[in-house]
Order: sequence, then structure tokens, then C-alpha cells
Amino acid sequence: SAVISQKPSRDICQRGTSLTIQCQVDSQVTMMFWYRQQPGQSLTLIATANQGSEATYESGFVIDKFPISRPNLTFSTLTVSNMSPEDSSIYLCSVGWAESLEQFFGPGTRLTVL
Amino acid sequence: AQTVTQSQPEMSVQEAETVTLSCTYDTSENNYYLFWYKQPPSRQMILVIRQEAYKQQNATENRFSVNFQKAAKSFSLKISDSQLGDTAMYFCAFMKRNNNDMRFGAGTRLTVKP
Repeated sequence: SAVISQKPSRDICQRGTSLTIQCQVDSQVTMMFWYRQQPGQSLTLIATANQGSEATYESGFVIDKFPISRPNLTFSTLTVSNMSPEDSSIYLCSVGWAESLEQFFGPGTRLTVL
Repeated sequence: AQTVTQSQPEMSVQEAETVTLSCTYDTSENNYYLFWYKQPPSRQMILVIRQEAYKQQNATENRFSVNFQKAAKSFSLKISDSQLGDTAMYFCAFMKRNNNDMRFGAGTRLTVKP
């Protein structure tokens, strides 16, 4: 298993600004993922954060809007850029290993954009 | 593309009784994995149970069991002896083999009543 922390746990931001969310894991992991969960809805994968290379984005998500860093095997950041109220969501980080089926989720970051 | 459908937005059950949550999925893949995740109000996603598609035997974890019908592409979750702590959103998820990209259903909000 893995213990995952996310910072901040919640934030209220102004339209047009950017917020960087951090995801820290207590052990080295092969894979790190970023999900968005809009109010009352399911999880949608934004991107897979690859260590040492650019993130792989899902359809509908672009690097300019959601730049991701993965400097090492225990840490990743997701930036939500030029925010609008439509970006108000919970953003979740998850981790996994190539040899394992499980993904472990962080507690999420609740973002509200005014 | 894979889709996961949960047709029950909300369900309720009396404490100590049994409840079944439905999930269907659509895929052309033959090798894949299915999961049920629980998200309590604290919003921490917790893995409840998983099933490998190549296994015919239904997975069981204590009070949680699945009814996996591969031909029908159905994957229901049965919770026996429901407890108040089972109150949560339950998400069904699909993952292709060798691809940790996980797709989630819309979720079922389960309320266990005392």
C-alpha cells in the first residue's frame, strides 16, 4: 500500500489565476495519475504523470491548461492554469505499480473558483 | 472506448440487511480488471474489491462479494450485513490489462439506515 498526501486540501481562487496541487507518496511508485471529480460526479482521468518525461493527457485535457511535473518517483504536481468557475472540482492524485493492479488515491484537493 | 454504467444513482438499505449495486460495462477487450471503490464523505477513495476477467470465480472480501458475468458484461457488488460505515459513494471501475488507465462509472450513493 501507499500513503498519499495532497496539498492544499482545499482552496478558493479567483478567476484567471493558477493553482499548483502537490501529491507526495511515502514510497517510490511507478505510476502517478491525476483525476478530476466535478461536483456530484464520477472521476475523470486527466493525465498520467510519467517520471522523466512529459505527462500523457487524456482527450479533452491539454498541457497548457493542466501542466504536470513528475521530478521523481514519489512526487508530482498538477497546475490548473487560468482558472474559470468550470474548473471548480475535486482533484485527486492516485498511484500504482506496473506489477500491481491497485491504485491508491490521495485525499483530494477541493478547488473552488470564483 | 470502454464505458462503465451504474444505473442506480442512489440506494438505501437497513442496517444488517443485504444490498446489491449494479454495474455494466462495454469493452471489446478480453483481458481486463474490474474494481469497486468506496468513497465515504471524507472523500478518500478506498478499494473494496477487484476481479480479474480471466478468473471465473467471483471475488469475495469479507462482507463484500461480486457477481461477475463476463458474457453479459455485468459486475454487481453485494454487501451483506450492511453497517452504518458502509454509507458512501460506490464506484465501479474498469481497467485494461497492461494499461493502468482506469475508467469509472457515475457512482451509486448508498445510505445505510439504522
